[in-house]
Amino acid sequence: QAVLTQPSSLSASPGASASLTCTLRSGFDVGIYRIFWYQQKPGSPPQYLLRYKSDSDQHQGSGVPSRFSGSKDASANAGILFISGLQSEDEADYFCMIWHSSAWVFGGGTKLTVL
Amino acid sequence: QLQVQESGPGLVRPSETLSLTCTVSGGSIGSSNSYWNWIRQAPGKGPEWIGNIYYNGKTYYNPSLKPRLTISVDSSKNEFSLQLTSVTAADTAIYYCARESVITTYGVVTTRYGIDVWGQGTTVTVSS
Repeated sequence: QAVLTQPSSLSASPGASASLTCTLRSGFDVGIYRIFWYQQKPGSPPQYLLRYKSDSDQHQGSGVPSRFSGSKDASANAGILFISGLQSEDEADYFCMIWHSSAWVFGGGTKLTVL
Repeated sequence: QLQVQESGPGLVRPSETLSLTCTVSGGSIGSSNSYWNWIRQAPGKGPEWIGNIYYNGKTYYNPSLKPRLTISVDSSKNEFSLQLTSVTAADTAIYYCARESVITTYGVVTTRYGIDVWGQGTTVTVSS
């Protein structure tokens, strides 16, 4: 079982909101991790969006709109990337990442379709 | 503005060694606030972290690649490099170099702020 699990795809309408989840494997406590989120468009490298550990330990990437925000759902043991006011330009792959046991670990990614 | 750029052969024969170099510009590879990373992404897959290095040579490697992997740094050239031996078709991917922002105290990393600067990537195909 992968350390980080993301839904492979998600669809939402322009102007709507989307919650992308990054679920940690059982035995991994989401509360202790900084969760990093990246956006990747075809033919480009991933771009850093934000990191979230807690409301007092979070960071927005330079130039990243405030429509993008991070949070956690402790009951689901998951990190969440919330995107409000979806725009066509938000259509992309989104990856989560954590530092665990002296290694960076990526989720498999969610393909967000805005239609 | 800090930039990183990958370079190296686009085609490697099976069983041979894949060698790539990352050139850092707009900043110093000797910065105490940076770790330098290699990440790869196979077609249609998510990123896979390969490993990273600090300016003093301290490295962390992906355990699955460690037996075949060497990452080194050349401060005089503001570069760091990747060598992956005994490659197979499974090593075919886009290879990215990237900067990771860290906070250190007395040379020890106390906080990792993630990978925030990526190169454009270079495609490496393993084929005879």
